[in-house]
Amino acid sequence: GAVVSQHPSWVICKSGTSVKIECRSLDFQATTMFWYRQFPKQSLMLMATSNEGSKATYEQGVEKDKFLINHASLTLSTLTVTSAHPEDSSFYICSAREGQVTEAFFGQGTRLTVV
Amino acid sequence: GESVGLHLPTLSVQEGDNSIINCAYSNSASDYFIWYKQESGKGPQFIIDIRSNMDKRQGQRVTVLLNKTVKHLSLQIAATQPGDSAVYFCAEINQGGKLIFGQGTELSVKP
Repeated sequence: GAVVSQHPSWVICKSGTSVKIECRSLDFQATTMFWYRQFPKQSLMLMATSNEGSKATYEQGVEKDKFLINHASLTLSTLTVTSAHPEDSSFYICSAREGQVTEAFFGQGTRLTVV
Repeated sequence: GESVGLHLPTLSVQEGDNSIINCAYSNSASDYFIWYKQESGKGPQFIIDIRSNMDKRQGQRVTVLLNKTVKHLSLQIAATQPGDSAVYFCAEINQGGKLIFGQGTELSVKP
């Protein structure tokens, strides 16, 4: 299957700082990228959907000013957690898809710990 | 965000037995469904998919069944192996093109 690379795989940051997570599709053009958040022993919760060159669509309850998403090219999307707090600690996962109704490929995930 | 934020149900099976994992989806207009496997600390891995114009699809050791009448999906794993131990999620692509995950089931295979 296609490869999606997510970086970093884990990060520890101080409360109040910002963290950027990158998601790259390595061998296909990702017209759509999804960002998810996952707490232990729970399902993946969709945070936002981004299409290349346009603003991300955020799910209800997700603060767009706190979770900044940029999808500037067909191979790269970034999620920036601004002014991170301990409650933002979670596993963040990106997914990329080429086309409208096709399978989506997932990155390895990023474990964010805010101390 | 969309999803079900409940703790995962678990399924424990003996090595060599068949496993059946069930999932209820929410949107009757969804026309594409995917099963993913997630190992601890990793992103989900594609297993098998099915479109709404089918009711069954088979892969290697896995079969997905779709019942649109009751909005139910199942994943059958034949001859379950210890390496199959993971969390399994069904996901649907809704009308807006969003990939939405179901609750998930933790499969534990006893040797």
